[in-house]
Amino acid sequence: EVQLLESGGDMVQPGGSLRLSCAASGFSFSDYAMNWVRQAPGKGLEWVSSISGSGGSKYYADSVKGRFPTSRDNSKNTLYLQMNSLRAEDTAIYYCAKSTGSAVSTANFDSWGQGTLVTVSS
Amino acid sequence: EIVLTQSPATLSLSPGERATLSCRASQSVNSYIAWYQQKPGQAPRLLIYDASNRATGIPARFSGSGSGTDFTLTISSLEPEDFAVYYCQQRYIWPPFTFGPGTKVDIK
Repeated sequence: EVQLLESGGDMVQPGGSLRLSCAASGFSFSDYAMNWVRQAPGKGLEWVSSISGSGGSKYYADSVKGRFPTSRDNSKNTLYLQMNSLRAEDTAIYYCAKSTGSAVSTANFDSWGQGTLVTVSS
Repeated sequence: EIVLTQSPATLSLSPGERATLSCRASQSVNSYIAWYQQKPGQAPRLLIYDASNRATGIPARFSGSGSGTDFTLTISSLEPEDFAVYYCQQRYIWPPFTFGPGTKVDIK
């Protein structure tokens, strides 16, 4: 059974940093692209970033480009999102989601974690 | 950037009724549309991918159709557990991968 478990969410002041982790199990992690999707309170879904199975290709939403680098450690079956220069508008639940293939283009998100809440407030 | 528009915003129906949800893209996305269901306090769940393919474990009452710019998710007979918010998402022109704003299906 595929399991994705996010952690690292917290309340942080504007301008601060956080690192989110997503621990994966139940599948061959390195064979699949992984993604971060966020949802502001009471709002819809917003794609944040994607990384290929090998980690060699990474893509970002304009709203986080240059601030939220994503990475993965295939030896630890873990996905990361380093969140820097946080803003109030980054407040959201952050989900990690598995794609259906190793390429970023296979962006059908077939498994999701339960999400971790990031609150940016002074 | 591809903009997805979903209609209606809210659909009020009774159990047993047929639900028809629409997703329209600002330009052609071929057949690269997925549909997700989200219940309160839960993560989204993939229902349909590539316009018409049911994801693993999804009941046959869910079906998807369309190509180009116009897509439909149909729930043939609503079960109590189907009352939720539904999102479409495209993966044809990216980045970014974009989602629609959602359609809420609630109990009439």
